[in-house]
Amino acid sequence: QQPVQSPQAVILREGEDAVINCSSSKALYSVHWYRQKHGEAPVFLMILLKGGEQKGHEKISASFNEKKQQSSLYLTASQLSYSGTYFCGAGTNAGKSTFGDGTTLTVKP
Amino acid sequence: EPEVTQTPSHQVTQMGQEVILRCVPISNHLYFYWYRQILGQKVEFLVSFYNNEISEKSEIFDDQFSVERPDGSNFTLKIRSTKLEDSAMYFCASQVDWGSYNEQFFGPGTRLTVL
Repeated sequence: QQPVQSPQAVILREGEDAVINCSSSKALYSVHWYRQKHGEAPVFLMILLKGGEQKGHEKISASFNEKKQQSSLYLTASQLSYSGTYFCGAGTNAGKSTFGDGTTLTVKP
Repeated sequence: EPEVTQTPSHQVTQMGQEVILRCVPISNHLYFYWYRQILGQKVEFLVSFYNNEISEKSEIFDDQFSVERPDGSNFTLKIRSTKLEDSAMYFCASQVDWGSYNEQFFGPGTRLTVL
């Protein structure tokens, strides 16, 4: 089942914060986050498995709610290098990954 | 740093022709994937492969598609009779082991253009 991402696009100034949401009508086995820059392959950011889990990676962190139906990606003090399209992927225990439509993040100087 | 490689980087073919896209996953990885991404759209799951067999496949992965690990290093995606709508970027990914909790490493992709 395809997760739903919001917003579709975000434009920020350097140093501003952003939140990208990923939701599903059913509990997910796992959720993973990727960033893709134009013309490049997706790059893994993080994966969350447990309800209530929070993970951080420098100034990028993510949470997975208790019901495992929503995950949010937090980008704080954004940098120009954060620009790209962010995808969440809903994983099954058999290894299938269904991606959301993506959120395009543009960070301006 | 180990990485997933894919060849060719760009493949142009005529409608109805067969194509084989090649991937060399990271050497100690056991779980492999193919995805496709039509220009400007999201990444779409095609198939996952573990222990020499398909683990899961999507509705896109019909009888025109097949995957194979012909030797210990290559992982291939074959499209038997290409259609115009098969034009897309095809990404291979590998994962150290079974389980959705492991990071997937993506290759750089093969751009397939069907004329």
